[in-house]
Amino acid sequence: DIVMTQSPDSLAVSLGERATINCKSNQTVLSSSNNNNFLAWYQQKPGQPPKLLIYWASTRESGVPDRFSGSGSGTDFTLTVSSLQAEDVAVYHCQQYYSVPFTFGQGTKLEIK
Amino acid sequence: QLQLQESGPGLVKPSETLSLTCIVSGGSIGSRSHYWGWIRQPPGKGLEWIGSIYYTGSRYYSSSLKSRVTISVDTSKNQVSLKLSSVTAADTAVYYCARHRYNSPYSAFDSWGQGTLVTVSS
Repeated sequence: DIVMTQSPDSLAVSLGERATINCKSNQTVLSSSNNNNFLAWYQQKPGQPPKLLIYWASTRESGVPDRFSGSGSGTDFTLTVSSLQAEDVAVYHCQQYYSVPFTFGQGTKLEIK
Repeated sequence: QLQLQESGPGLVKPSETLSLTCIVSGGSIGSRSHYWGWIRQPPGKGLEWIGSIYYTGSRYYSSSLKSRVTISVDTSKNQVSLKLSSVTAADTAVYYCARHRYNSPYSAFDSWGQGTLVTVSS
């Protein structure tokens, strides 16, 4: 199984500042056949289901504000919130869908400082 | 607009079988455009993929749950079902159904149900 490890477990950032969340896999999730990274980011607010933010490591889902961006390749990935807004307080999860079983990181809790 | 709604008993006794249904509205499971999955989240913990299925019945299961899980699809009712046998307290979780973005299980989950909490307790 591919193990996904996020860092940090929690993060407090001031409004308007940048937030960076890391996700590392213990095996590559980069496909050599199509050069896509099979990596997604989700946002989960309290009492709600996860919401897809980013797929293919860097493609923003329709309707997601452009302050959210994803980067990285192979085994190391980053979700960046360029200017934190109050509504961004949530838990963020990364997920690999490169191989079965599909696996998630443990989640990173993002709060306002 | 696509909606997924999970339903089933909120309380299951240890050693019994958990049975949940996900009814899809605003879209057709038989449209050949998507795989459909089940994911669970124990209280205060992370997400765990359970399995995914296509309208043809092609399915993939988590290796850790494979011996106890059955996922099925009923295109006439536009629903996906989950059965998990021999449950223990460790199976207590919010269970979500979700849609894969493409007609491949190797794609992100782009739409989720609200989830249903299942507690395993005598």
